Amino acid sequence: GNSVTQMEGPVTLSEEAFLTINCTYTATGYPSLFWYVQYPGEGLQLLLKATKADDKGSNKGFEATYRKETTSFHLEKGSVQVSDSAVYFCALSPYNQGGKLIFGQGTELSVKP
Amino acid sequence: DSGVTQTPKHLITATGQRVTLRCSPRSGDLSVYWYQQSLDQGLQFLIQYYNGEERAKGNILERFSAQQFPDLHSELNLSSLELGDSALYFCASSKTGGNTGELFFGEGSRLTVL
Repeated sequence: GNSVTQMEGPVTLSEEAFLTINCTYTATGYPSLFWYVQYPGEGLQLLLKATKADDKGSNKGFEATYRKETTSFHLEKGSVQVSDSAVYFCALSPYNQGGKLIFGQGTELSVKP
Repeated sequence: DSGVTQTPKHLITATGQRVTLRCSPRSGDLSVYWYQQSLDQGLQFLIQYYNGEERAKGNILERFSAQQFPDLHSELNLSSLELGDSALYFCASSKTGGNTGELFFGEGSRLTVL
């Protein structure tokens, strides 16, 4: 079946630290991969996506590369800010299954000044 | 603002009752998705509609049902409510039913069952 596994949180970093949130997936076929972010009290927002192997998604200083050989899509940012504090969800959309997203359990990030 | 509107934002009810959650998708979006978010289960996909027809089904209980109307708004009906149904219910929409597009999420309806 299709599933997503994320590193557990919460993750606490100091401002300007390097961020990595690990994400691995299991899927049949060729899924698309996504990172969504949820700020307190809000719905989820797309952060970045990659639709095929070796694609790199990037946005707001965050990036992730679709690695088919390791079935991974790790999220990275070189220098986090307090405003990046949120819950981050890795997700996959299976090929030919209508566009639904299957989410990982989420990783809470807290950035301290 | 994602453009997806969900009502009500908060709902408190008793066990055994029935509630209806409503979702208006972004203008032009044909697909609507429902998700349940709880602390123990995380974000679970419930069901998807595309242009009025059911497209995909996830972990939706038999006590729950949904539909998408001709004007593309959707309703999620939850009946015979149990304490464990307390959760945040999200609606999302997308232009198509393909797997490369972005889903736009509403702010959610928080259901508390007492």
